[in-house]
Amino acid sequence: GIQVEQSPPDLILQEGANSTLRCNFSDSVNNLQWFHQNPWGQLINLFYIPSGTKQNGRLSATTVATERYSLLYISSSQTTDSGVYFCAVDPGEYGNKLVFGAGTILRVKS
Amino acid sequence: NAGVTQTPKFQVLKTGQSMTLQCAQDMNHNSMYWYRQDPGMGLRLIYYSASEGTTDKGEVPNGYNVSRLNKREFSLRLESAAPSQTSVYFCASSEAGGQGLLKQYFGPGTRLTVT
Repeated sequence: GIQVEQSPPDLILQEGANSTLRCNFSDSVNNLQWFHQNPWGQLINLFYIPSGTKQNGRLSATTVATERYSLLYISSSQTTDSGVYFCAVDPGEYGNKLVFGAGTILRVKS
Repeated sequence: NAGVTQTPKFQVLKTGQSMTLQCAQDMNHNSMYWYRQDPGMGLRLIYYSASEGTTDKGEVPNGYNVSRLNKREFSLRLESAAPSQTSVYFCASSEAGGQGLLKQYFGPGTRLTVT
């Protein structure tokens, strides 16, 4: 089946710093989504981004489907950005379901 | 809109007991999902329902059953709980478009401990 790899596995930032999280996938996909799991366990959908670039405040995401990767940019990080970031892909061939990466743990220190 | 709701939020079971986790969504989505998340691990799909009246196994279905009661509700049942089923359980829903799944939305989770 399709493999989804996220890097780095762990990241520690000082408040105000910028960061880039990466998601690589091993086969073509219908779409890709980014999620944030906050320290209380809540999972929030950040982006639905099959291709191209989207921005939402300090966060932006770019997916290059032809090269099988996506990037999540966090600018001017805040402590509330801490948590785990997951990317997930819809491979299409397995029915209506997502395949998740293992996640990137982000800690933002004040 | 409440989005995706789950009950209960917390549950403690003894080995061998049974229970049902409830999930409901008010977004009129066709597809619903049950995941489990263990410490330090990502999300693993237990079962999903692509549409009302259908259910399919995911990555880790053993020890679980599901029922898609109607378009809104999708329940997960543990018939005989085991300590290995201690986990956080998430329900999710999404719609499917012409290019596959659309945005997936998650419930708040149920923290289950089996002693």
